[in-house]
Amino acid sequence: DQQVKQNSPSLSVQEGRISILNCDYTNSMFDYFLWYKKYPAEGPTFLISISSIKDKNEDGRFTVFLNKSAKHLSLHIVPSQPGDSAVYFCAGARIQGAQKLVFGQGTRLTINP
Amino acid sequence: NAGVTQTPKFRVLKTGQSMTLLCAQDMNHEYMYWYRQDPGMGLRLIHYSVGEGTTAKGEVPDGYNVSRLKKQNFLLGLESAAPSQTSVYFCASSWWSEQYFGPGTRLTVT
Repeated sequence: DQQVKQNSPSLSVQEGRISILNCDYTNSMFDYFLWYKKYPAEGPTFLISISSIKDKNEDGRFTVFLNKSAKHLSLHIVPSQPGDSAVYFCAGARIQGAQKLVFGQGTRLTINP
Repeated sequence: NAGVTQTPKFRVLKTGQSMTLLCAQDMNHEYMYWYRQDPGMGLRLIHYSVGEGTTAKGEVPDGYNVSRLKKQNFLLGLESAAPSQTSVYFCASSWWSEQYFGPGTRLTVT
């Protein structure tokens, strides 16, 4: 049972345009959602999060939207830059003593010059 | 501040051998985690710890043991390695918000 799904394994976007990465979830019990970015041979790094009671959170070029009725979230990157090329993971989080994360499969984003 | 470090970076084991992966963090985080990442899959939680001397099972704990004798260290052990444990292993630590990840250990079991 995959609770968090990223159905697009890869996405290619032109530099300067908007990148939209999508994520679907099935577990309504998540307390919040996070996006992580991962470069090759490195660990994931935190990008942005959103509480399950909000529908939007913005941080610079990054905005996350949450549609609870559709159980869908998306990450918008505007404008896209070459350094944004990486694998992006969305994760659902439950606070049960510790923060327990459930990750999607990841989407490889390539920004073309 | 080194953040989260993992030792070793790479390892090749034969089936049946044992080994221990070490994770260390210098951020005084209470919570620590071990994940594995396999091709085409997201990271999956193996075990976690909510403080020194405590451990708990995650999503895929079978075949692994952990110990947290010191707050800054979290050890992951494989008692009898199997080819199915070939993976990249990530350690992470946190307070109540986002987790900070180490660079990973690539383990191959032949």
